[in-house]
Amino acid sequence: QVQLVESGGGVVQPGWSLRLSCAASGFTFSTYAMHWVRQTPGKGLEWMTIISYDGSDKKYADSVKGRFSISRDNFRNILSLEMHSLRGEDTAIYYCAKANCNSASCYTIDYWGQGTLVTVSS
Amino acid sequence: DIQMTQSPSSLSAFVGDRVTITCRASQNINKYLNWYQQSPGKAPILLIHVASYLQSGVPSRFTGGGSGTDFTLTISALQPEDSATYYCQQTYSAPTTFGQGTRVE
Repeated sequence: QVQLVESGGGVVQPGWSLRLSCAASGFTFSTYAMHWVRQTPGKGLEWMTIISYDGSDKKYADSVKGRFSISRDNFRNILSLEMHSLRGEDTAIYYCAKANCNSASCYTIDYWGQGTLVTVSS
Repeated sequence: DIQMTQSPSSLSAFVGDRVTITCRASQNINKYLNWYQQSPGKAPILLIHVASYLQSGVPSRFTGGGSGTDFTLTISALQPEDSATYYCQQTYSAPTTFGQGTRVE
């Protein structure tokens, strides 16, 4: 069965950086695009970024463009999210999620991880 | 960005009731509409994709309909395990966007 396990969340101060990871198993990781989506009580579900199956194409929401960077390691089945210049409004649960096809235009998500909480506070 | 508006924001119903949730897009999205279910403390689960296609493993009491700007998710006979928040998502254009959710109790 598909498993997506996020790690790396925590409490950081504004302006700090953080790296999230997602360990994938139960499917052929290297053949599917992957997403990061975040959730807050106030804004609900907010899509952040997608990476194509081979890492050659990446797209970002305007709210994180230039601050966040998605990457993947298809040998170790790991998805990562580098977050810089963190702000209070970045406080959220961050979900790693599997797309149901391989390109960076594939926005349907068929599996989600359990999420990792990032809190940005001084 | 395309705005997705769900109604109602919450509802209460009894076991066995027929429940319908509506999702409206701010512009034509053809049939590029998904529905997700999120139980408290859990990750979302894909229920319906491309407006009306039931995801594998999802009970047949869930049906999706609509096209263009107006879409529905119907639960034909509500079960206790259906108590959750339901979200619509448009995949017609980037960035993909979600509705604000409908809580079903």
